[in-house]
Amino acid sequence: DTGVSQNPRHKITKRGQNVTFRCDPISEHNRLYWYRQTLGQGPEFLTYFQNEAQLEKSRLLSDRFSAERPKGSFSTLEIQRTEQGDSAMYLCASRRPGTSSIYEQFFGPGTRLTVL
Amino acid sequence: AQRVTQPEKLLSVFKGAPVELKCNYSYSGSPELFWYVQYSRQRLQLLLRHISRESIKGFTADLNKGETSFHLKKPFAQEEDSAMYYCALRGYSGGGADGLTFGKGTHLIIQP
Repeated sequence: DTGVSQNPRHKITKRGQNVTFRCDPISEHNRLYWYRQTLGQGPEFLTYFQNEAQLEKSRLLSDRFSAERPKGSFSTLEIQRTEQGDSAMYLCASRRPGTSSIYEQFFGPGTRLTVL
Repeated sequence: AQRVTQPEKLLSVFKGAPVELKCNYSYSGSPELFWYVQYSRQRLQLLLRHISRESIKGFTADLNKGETSFHLKKPFAQEEDSAMYYCALRGYSGGGADGLTFGKGTHLIIQP
């Protein structure tokens, strides 16, 4: 499968614990995006990278959230001191270089986080 | 602030009937609009984008800037069209914003 992959697919944790998710984009894609989707809602943009540079962060990304893409390939999203409100599906997407919107975002299967 | 509104959470139509999924947006600049679809147990995927003016799987959508709408239409629904449909907007906020703003989605059910 050469699509976007995410690990783990499911994560159950206790409130207050730290969690880290990984996203591997399609290999030639230099842009990588993180979204969060809660029940009954559409995906909400969190942040995106162009290569290793984090270019935009949503106000949804609180201080407890941090994302990295150290070598411009895979990315990690860490949530510190998790809260029950962090329970959601975390989606990763990637797309090819260029500024035109004809370059669509390809989504991964998501990581479902449950905070007890 | 940009916003996408999909007024219907659920839409149920019979096979062969026309389908229209509504999408309205709020954005001060010149937006780019998309429809994404998520079939059961599959990942989110692009269905169509306004800039291409294409028809995919019989679906079309026209951007109406006067009404700030981007409704998705299909003249004859098929059972395999049952899925969640999300309207999304890509806008520019001066800093090269590239993230998509999604609506809450419409669950389309095609009854046999």
